[in-house]
Amino acid sequence: GAGVSQSPRYKVTKRGQDVALRCDPISGHVSLYWYRQALGQGPEFLTYFNYEAQQDKSGLPNDRFSAERPEGSISTLTIQRTEQRDSAMYRCASSSTGTGVGPQHFGDGTRLSIL
Amino acid sequence: DAKTTQPTSMDCAEGRAANLPCNHSTISGNEYVYWYRQIHSQGPQYIIHGLKNNETNEMASLIITEDRKSSTLILPHATLRDTAVYYCIVRVVYGQNFVFGPGTRLSVLP
Repeated sequence: GAGVSQSPRYKVTKRGQDVALRCDPISGHVSLYWYRQALGQGPEFLTYFNYEAQQDKSGLPNDRFSAERPEGSISTLTIQRTEQRDSAMYRCASSSTGTGVGPQHFGDGTRLSIL
Repeated sequence: DAKTTQPTSMDCAEGRAANLPCNHSTISGNEYVYWYRQIHSQGPQYIIHGLKNNETNEMASLIITEDRKSSTLILPHATLRDTAVYYCIVRVVYGQNFVFGPGTRLSVLP
């Protein structure tokens, strides 16, 4: 597609449920990034992949959060046993290069609300 | 990555140039300056980046001081659609994630 696509756009779920957020990066982009954004703040890094390899997961808040990109394209961010504090906008970005100075291109995000 | 300092908010008259400053006094030689903006709840939009030379593209110009401790993003003819939060970020070459600060909320006024 023309840009980074994320689904669903909105997700409302009850506390304790598992959720899976999907990111479809720009075709051919090597790197894929996940960020979380609280209202009124800038995005906060969670994790990133080069191809299918998860290179850095230092931003994941705890072990309830995980991400995968099994074929080096689409990625899924999974949150298990959701808590209200997990409510936020989750954003995905992709970049054409695995290293270097290329910019990241962001999707419009998934707004997650935990009741 | 080096920390950046930006004004919390700025106003600009429609049609005039918007000059958004950013201080990055602890920037190191292998760090680039990037600018992104975010309009409402949309994802951050890449604007421009540079190392030490001034850069220009179809969206904006980036002016970096000779000592690289500060920079200015220039929107030459601001429109109402340029109202957004503008983020100045410094990142090492071959770095990966961007560290976003609070940015500058630019309001373009009719």
